[in-house]
Amino acid sequence: KQEVTQIPAALSVPEGENLVLNCSFTDSAIYNLQWFRQDPGKGLTSLLLIQSSQREQTSGRLNASLDKSSGRSTLYIAASQPGDSATYLCAVTGGGNKLTFGTGTQLKVEL
Amino acid sequence: GAVVSQHPSWVICKSGTSVKIECRSLDFQATTMFWYRQFPKQSLMLMATSNEGSKATYEQGVEKDKFLINHASLTLSTLTVTSAHPEDSSFYICSARDYTGELFFGEGSRLTVL
Repeated sequence: KQEVTQIPAALSVPEGENLVLNCSFTDSAIYNLQWFRQDPGKGLTSLLLIQSSQREQTSGRLNASLDKSSGRSTLYIAASQPGDSATYLCAVTGGGNKLTFGTGTQLKVEL
Repeated sequence: GAVVSQHPSWVICKSGTSVKIECRSLDFQATTMFWYRQFPKQSLMLMATSNEGSKATYEQGVEKDKFLINHASLTLSTLTVTSAHPEDSSFYICSARDYTGELFFGEGSRLTVL
């Protein structure tokens, strides 16, 4: 059974700081990994999708890497802003097209 | 990116009534959609996989007679919570994959059963 863990569970940083969110998964047989953000009371917004054959994806201030063999992904956020405050979730798609979510990292960027 | 629309965004109903939530992929076709439930400060729990033109696949512990799923077209899936009770109050979210495999989520529907 696939298990996805995110560390840290919560993070508070001052504005402007670069930060790294971690995601680890137990079964490396995945098709892809996706990072999302969720604002309170809202649905999920897709940030980045990394296919299993890829090592990283970039979008603006966000960079996500994938090391499938070690079961790890990181989401790097550059020059953090208060608007980045949200819960960040990683999710892996494995066999049977099954999606497994991580436990989430609650990020707060303070002025 | 692709857009998934969910309606209603919030609903309040009396105990014993049924509530239908719609999930639409607005600019792409989705043969598969997913329904989740989320409790406060917890991650999403997959309830079922909705397959266009066939029966939904339910996760273990999810009552299929309680949560009816219909996926009548490539752009619409519906979740009906039948005979709702206060313990069914939750945040329900749907998602759909586009042709690349990327998953897009609706905005969620908050159900409150009085």
